[in-house]
Amino acid sequence: EAGVAQSPRYKIIEKRQSVAFWCNPISGHATLYWYQQILGQGPKLLIQFQNNGVVDDSQLPKDRFSAERLKGVDSTLKIQPAKLEDSAVYLCASSERDTQYFGPGTRLTVL
Amino acid sequence: QKEVEQDPGPLSVPEGAIVSLNCTYSNSAFQYFMWYRQYSRKGPELLMYTYSSGNKEDGRFTAQVDKSSKYISLFIRDSQPSDSATYLCASDYNQGGKLIFGQGTELSVKP
Repeated sequence: EAGVAQSPRYKIIEKRQSVAFWCNPISGHATLYWYQQILGQGPKLLIQFQNNGVVDDSQLPKDRFSAERLKGVDSTLKIQPAKLEDSAVYLCASSERDTQYFGPGTRLTVL
Repeated sequence: QKEVEQDPGPLSVPEGAIVSLNCTYSNSAFQYFMWYRQYSRKGPELLMYTYSSGNKEDGRFTAQVDKSSKYISLFIRDSQPSDSATYLCASDYNQGGKLIFGQGTELSVKP
């Protein structure tokens, strides 16, 4: 069974630029999550989708972050404009019931 | 106060040692408790999943939850160099919901 796929794996941008991350969940998983993991910290949930509807986006900085999950499969997370403090690993996870499976993450560096 | 707190370490032990990793949590509504292992530059992978109080054993790993003291533990017997990773505890109110992670404990097992 293929795991959660994410791209790109690494991205370096300058502050105020925009960036987008892509996630392809495990086939058949209805729930998709985006987490932000700052160096030395545990992952923090940004947004949770159930199929293509948002379940929880309470910790998403909506002035600069946006996410969508078209057709209830793939998802993109966008940051516009990026700030220095957005430097982190962005993890995508998917679940069918109670276990969340994580992708390898996208490491973002904002200079 | 963070909802889930974890000693960040780093923790270094010799091969074959018994390792004890611990977390505390503040929200008595948490019902589900998990331990994830995260290798460098990889996404977290689920190690152990427990519901409410009690012990759960899987091979060399034992997870323990004490809801009266809001304490979560992971024990690793006969530790191996391949166990070197960051261990993250996580809690959840409901199955498949938002995971609240501790900051992770970095473990190094020396041959």
